[in-house]
Amino acid sequence: NAGVMQNPRHLVRRRGQEARLRCSPMKGHSHVYWYRQLPEEGLKFMVYLQKENIIDESGMPKERFSAEFPKEGPSILRIQQVVRGDSAAYFCASSPGQGNSYEQYFGPGTRLTVT
Amino acid sequence: AQSVTQLGSHVSVSEGALVLLRCNYSSSVPPYLFWYVQYPNQGLQLLLKYTTGATLVKGINGFEAEFKKSETSFHLTKPSAHMSDAAEYFCAVRRYNQGGKLIFGQGTELSVKP
Repeated sequence: NAGVMQNPRHLVRRRGQEARLRCSPMKGHSHVYWYRQLPEEGLKFMVYLQKENIIDESGMPKERFSAEFPKEGPSILRIQQVVRGDSAAYFCASSPGQGNSYEQYFGPGTRLTVT
Repeated sequence: AQSVTQLGSHVSVSEGALVLLRCNYSSSVPPYLFWYVQYPNQGLQLLLKYTTGATLVKGINGFEAEFKKSETSFHLTKPSAHMSDAAEYFCAVRRYNQGGKLIFGQGTELSVKP
């Protein structure tokens, strides 16, 4: 069973461009979480999605950031008009359910660099 | 609001020495508690977790942690450090029945000296 897949692993964007980060959860997992890790900091929760639904987006910046998890295909985290402060590692995690006993499995991350 | 505090952003031990990484949480309700390890340029791997039951939890690679409600702590220990233990360690909490999001501490970088 393949783990959580994220691509690209490294992404370089110029200021003002768009960044699209993809996450394919583990097989059988229908819950996806996105976290951001800024340099020298811990991970910060961004958004929690189930198929076709955003469950909790309390950690998402109000502007330029959006996320989706369509019925088919990977989850996408989209950052419009990137700025230098968006440079970070973005991690996706998946779980098979929402119950308290379900643990989250993390992908290898996408490292975004904004020049 | 919940928060997680990891005391010491850098911890250095000698190979074979005891590893102790500290984690304290603040929550009005005892949460679920986790320790993750992150090797350079990789994702997070779960070391161990506490949900209910026995307060001393054993994890992978010889690590264990004890949930102490009275101290609101969940410190991570390993009796004898190995060079391969050098990594970043994160403590995290998740509130009971509050969805799945994890609240992470700022991390502790463990160095192991030969």
